[in-house]
Amino acid sequence: DIQMTQSPSSLSASVGDRVTITCRASQSISRYLNWYQQTPGRAPKLLIYTASNLQSGVPSRFSGSGSGTDFTLTISSLQPEDFATYYCQQSYNTPRTFGQGTKVEMK
Amino acid sequence: QVQLQESGPGLVKPSQTLSLTCTVSGGSISSGGYYWTWIRQHPGKGLEWIGYIYYSGSTYYNPSVKSRITISVDTSKNQFSLKLNSVTAADTAVYYCARAVDYGDYEDYWGQGTLVTVSS
Repeated sequence: DIQMTQSPSSLSASVGDRVTITCRASQSISRYLNWYQQTPGRAPKLLIYTASNLQSGVPSRFSGSGSGTDFTLTISSLQPEDFATYYCQQSYNTPRTFGQGTKVEMK
Repeated sequence: QVQLQESGPGLVKPSQTLSLTCTVSGGSISSGGYYWTWIRQHPGKGLEWIGYIYYSGSTYYNPSVKSRITISVDTSKNQFSLKLNSVTAADTAVYYCARAVDYGDYEDYWGQGTLVTVSS
């Protein structure tokens, strides 16, 4: 299985901050990397697919980059509704695997 | 707007079979290009991909549960199902069904999730 490692596991930030979350794959996955946002008690929500494509309806303050083994999710200006846990997922092969999650908390 | 809804028992006894159904509305499960996925989340933990199925019946399972799992599809009812046998407390989780786009590349629509507790 491809192991996905996110960093940091948690971070504290303020509204308006620029936030960056990193995801590293244990082998090259080309650009087959997706990002999801999950708030407590809710299903995950797709934000970014294939590394840098913004899902319809997702605010443009979210962006993704990377290829190979290293990927980044950036929130350009953190909004109150962005306090959540973020997961990366590789779709290069099966079984699909997720990172352990990054919890974005209010400072 | 595609919607997915999980249904099934919320409590299962150890060694028995966990059975869940996902009903899809707002779109046909027989539409090509989509895989229909099960993902679970243990309490307070991360996400685990369990497996998915194409409308034709082709399946891919996570090796971690492969010996115990069956995912099936009923196109006439626009539903797909999960059966996980010989459950233990370690199978206690929120189970999500989802639609995976582009032949399984990413999940764009999710059900709300259903908590299944394994306990006697």
